[in-house]
Amino acid sequence: GAVVSQHPSRVICKSGTSVKIECRSLDFQATTMFWYRQFPKQSLMLMATSNEGSKATYEQGVEKDKFLINHASLTLSTLTVTSAHPEDSSFYICSASSQRAYNEQFFGPGTRLTVL
Amino acid sequence: DAKTTQPPSMDCAEGRAANLPCNHSTISGNEYVYWYRQIHSQGPQYIIHGLKNNETNEMASLIITEDRKSSTLILPHATLRDTAVYYCIVRGLNAGNMLTFGGGTRLMVKP
Repeated sequence: GAVVSQHPSRVICKSGTSVKIECRSLDFQATTMFWYRQFPKQSLMLMATSNEGSKATYEQGVEKDKFLINHASLTLSTLTVTSAHPEDSSFYICSASSQRAYNEQFFGPGTRLTVL
Repeated sequence: DAKTTQPPSMDCAEGRAANLPCNHSTISGNEYVYWYRQIHSQGPQYIIHGLKNNETNEMASLIITEDRKSSTLILPHATLRDTAVYYCIVRGLNAGNMLTFGGGTRLMVKP
């Protein structure tokens, strides 16, 4: 199956700083990438959908100026959490899909963000 | 996308079959049934999907009722490593069709 990587796998930062998380499709070109957030003991919640070269579409309640998404190439999308606060601490997961693969979604391993 | 209903938790003895049910009574004709699982602190892993016929792969079998209003994921010989949260999701296949995760079923495989 297709492989999606995320970097870093774990990050701890101070309140007020910004953190960038990378999502890469390693062996296929992803026309669409999705970003999810998961709080402890809860399900995955979709944050935004991004298509290569276009602005991301954010779900209701997700602040686009706080969670900056860049999908500059068919293999890379980044999520930047700006001015992070402790309530942003969560597990962030990306997924990538390709029209050539019948739009199946392949998930990354996730990034654990802890804001002190 | 149609909503799904799953039991919040289930136990299964190691080596026995695990049968995980899912109700999706509002599924539309062009929507597929997908199953993913999430082992603790990892990203979701695709298991299987189907439209109306039963499907089988190396991981599991998917049984879809004739009216497509419910389905069952079967892990034929559960192992301790199958302990995870299992998500049943229905979605179409158009580009951008997102996966909407419900609460899932927390399967605990016990020795």
